[in-house]
This record gives sequence, C-alpha cells and structure tokens, in this order.
Amino acid sequence: NAGVTQTPKFRILKIGQSMTLQCAQDMNHNYMYWYRQDPGMGLKLIYYSVGAGITDKGEVPNGYNVSRSTTEDFPLRLELAAPSQTSVYFCASSYWGSNEQFFGPGTRLTVL
Amino acid sequence: AQKITQTQPGMFVQEKEAVTLDCTYDTSDPSYGLFWYKQPSSGEMIFLIYQGSYDQQNATEGRYSLNFQKARKSANLVISASQLGDSAMYFCAMRSYNFNKFYFGSGTKLNVKP
Repeated sequence: NAGVTQTPKFRILKIGQSMTLQCAQDMNHNYMYWYRQDPGMGLKLIYYSVGAGITDKGEVPNGYNVSRSTTEDFPLRLELAAPSQTSVYFCASSYWGSNEQFFGPGTRLTVL
Repeated sequence: AQKITQTQPGMFVQEKEAVTLDCTYDTSDPSYGLFWYKQPSSGEMIFLIYQGSYDQQNATEGRYSLNFQKARKSANLVISASQLGDSAMYFCAMRSYNFNKFYFGSGTKLNVKP
C-alpha cells in the first residue's frame, strides 16, 4: 500500500493563479481531510469528506473548494491564490470506527 | 466551541528522563477522542496515542502514556525514558464525533539533550 499520497510536494504560485492539490489513498478509507499548517502553528481543518459525494467545511474553508467523486481521491482546489494561503497542506484519511488518521507527506505552497 | 490549548511552546529534557507535555481542551460534545501526534523536522505527522472520552483507563503505547483527567479537561502526554530521537514538535488533537472534525493545538517543541 502506498498509503496517502500528495502531489505536488512543492509549488510556487503567483497571486491570482489557481491550482489543484491532489490527494489519493489506497486503503479504502471513507473519511478524508484537508489541513493547512502555517509556520509554527498546529493544523487547521479546511474541508473533510465522510464518503464519495459528501463533503463539508472545516474551520478555514474560505478560498478553497473540494470534491470527492471516488473513495480514493480528494482534490483541493485553490481559486485566486493569495499570500495568506502560503502554508503546508496535509491530506489525511481514516476509516470509520478507527481512531487513527493517516497523513500524507504534505505539499508546501508559496504564493508570491 | 471546540478548542485545544498547549501552553508550552518549548520544552527541554535530559536524555533518559521522563517529560510531560500539557494539553487542555474545551468541548461541549459528550463523546470525543483525544490524540497526540509527533512531527519531526522532516515534517511528517506520526500518530502516537489515542484516548476516548469514555475510556476508564489511561492509554499507553510503549514509552508514551496519556494522563487523562476528564473533569479538568486535560490530556497530558508523558514520555518516559526520553531518547534523542524524541526531539520534535508534538501536537495534541481532539476529534469531535458529532461532527467528524479534528482540532489541533499549536504544538510543543521538545528538545532532548544528551
């Protein structure tokens, strides 16, 4: 199993550009999550999904969109990138009834 | 409102000694879970230990134990016999079972001295 994979690892965007952060898991987990981690801070939940076709907002959803068309994939879309979105983005997944979240390696995004 | 508070931005401990990392939480949910994660300088998030709000006994996983005091809303992590490889950021987190959401504290940076 590859676990949770994220692409790209690094990205630099210009203000106003858009991009999609990819996340995939091969563990058949029904729950998936997107977090951002600002320098020196903990993780903040952006969006989460409890299954294909079902998504909901977390603490900091503004400026982002998600979709979940399959169990495996949970892409995060940034529209009109802003410097405030400079952060490390983590995707995670878990199985219903399990207490553990599995994290991807993260995507470091810089918006200039 | 759900909130996790870690009041120790940084901690030092001598190798082979025990250390306690503090975590307090606030929630109105009757059912919740408490977690600790380790984040080394390489950046990945490593799950360490879990405590359910209805668990009667404190959780233990090897050198890690969670000191759960429900009335005080605290969930401190105890690391026994610290090792140099324990130097990392440690995050306390809470899962709200009503809303399937996770909330993280701001972290504690632990430095283990030889």
